[in-house]
Parts: sequence; C-alpha cells; structure tokens
Amino acid sequence: DAGVTQSPTHLIKTRGQQVTLRCSPKSGHDTVSWYQQALGQGPQFIFQYYEEEERQRGNFPDRFSGHQYPNYSSELNVNALLLGDSALYLCAGSTGAQFYGYTFGSGTRLTVV
Amino acid sequence: GQSLEQPSEVTAVEGAIVQINCTYQTSGFYGLSWYQQHDGGAPTFLSYNALDGLEETGRFSSFLSRSDSYGYLLLQELQMKDSASYFCAVTGGGNKLTFGTGTQLKVEL
Repeated sequence: DAGVTQSPTHLIKTRGQQVTLRCSPKSGHDTVSWYQQALGQGPQFIFQYYEEEERQRGNFPDRFSGHQYPNYSSELNVNALLLGDSALYLCAGSTGAQFYGYTFGSGTRLTVV
Repeated sequence: GQSLEQPSEVTAVEGAIVQINCTYQTSGFYGLSWYQQHDGGAPTFLSYNALDGLEETGRFSSFLSRSDSYGYLLLQELQMKDSASYFCAVTGGGNKLTFGTGTQLKVEL
C-alpha cells in the first residue's frame, strides 16, 4: 500500500508565475490537508478538502487555491508567486472523522526566484 | 487563535532520556499529537493524547495535562537515529492540525 505521493519533489519558479502541486493520499483516506512549512518552522495549515469541497481554510490569501478529485487526489495552486512563498509544501491524508495520526507526504520543495 | 511553544533545541547523549515540552493556547482542543521529521522528510506521527495522562508507545511516551495546557514527549534509550525535529500539534475544530515551531533534537555519542 503506497503512502502519500506528492509531485513534483522540487520546483523552481519565477516571481509572478503560477504553480500547481499534486497529492495522492493513500488508499482509505478521503480527506486531504495542505500545509506550508518555511525553513526552520512548523507546518502551517493552508486548507483541507473533503468530498471535493474546501472544508476549512487557514490564514492564507486567495492566491492559494485547491481542488479535490473524485479519486481523493488533490491539487494546490498558487498564483502570482512571491519570494515568500518559497517553502516545503506538505500534503496530509486522513479520513473525514480522524482526529490524529495523519499521514504526510515528503512534500514539494518550492523555490521562488 | 492557537499558539504552541516548544524549546528550539535539545541535546542529549545516546542511551539517555530526554523530555520535550509543549505549552499551548487554543480556542478549540480535541487532543495533542507529536510528529517526528528528519531533514527534508515527511512528518511522521508518533503519539496522541486526548485525555490527561501518559501514553506509551515503545521507547516514546507522551503526557498531557489539559488543565495546564501542557504536554511533553519523552524519548528513552536515545539512539543516533532519533536526531530529528519534533513537533507538537493541537487538533482543533474541523480536525485541523496546528503545529508548534518544533524542537531540534541532537543525539551525541
């Protein structure tokens, strides 16, 4: 049983560009949460998707958007990239009723230059 | 809002016991989790406390006091491979995880 798969693993973009990151949770997980982790910091909650809808959102601007597909995979889109968006973007899978034990992917390292 | 405080760095020798503390302020609380993250890797779930008391999982134990908004992770029989960052995280409304800033554990010979 594969764990959480994220792609790409590394990405370099130019300021002002747009980026799409992808996540496939492991089998049995229907909820996907996205986190941003700056260097030396803890992961910060961006948003959570369940049943193809955004269920909860953290304190991130509208430049950050997402989508969940019927197979539970998810995308994170960031528009008008800023230098400060450089971070590790993590995806976590869980079930809708799960309070703990989320399964994280290894993340996408985004560098904005 | 929610905030969690942890020491930024802890150093211990192989074979020793180390405790990593976490204090939190939250507007909603279901439980406290602990995650381990090696450099460049995925956070890995270690332990969860929903109620007061101690939970033991092998060499790792976690404690929670809800009245004190305080918890800790206890690592016994430290090994070199335990060198990593450790995060406490609160589960709040909507099953949202809020993480602390992390504690970097260095295990020395």
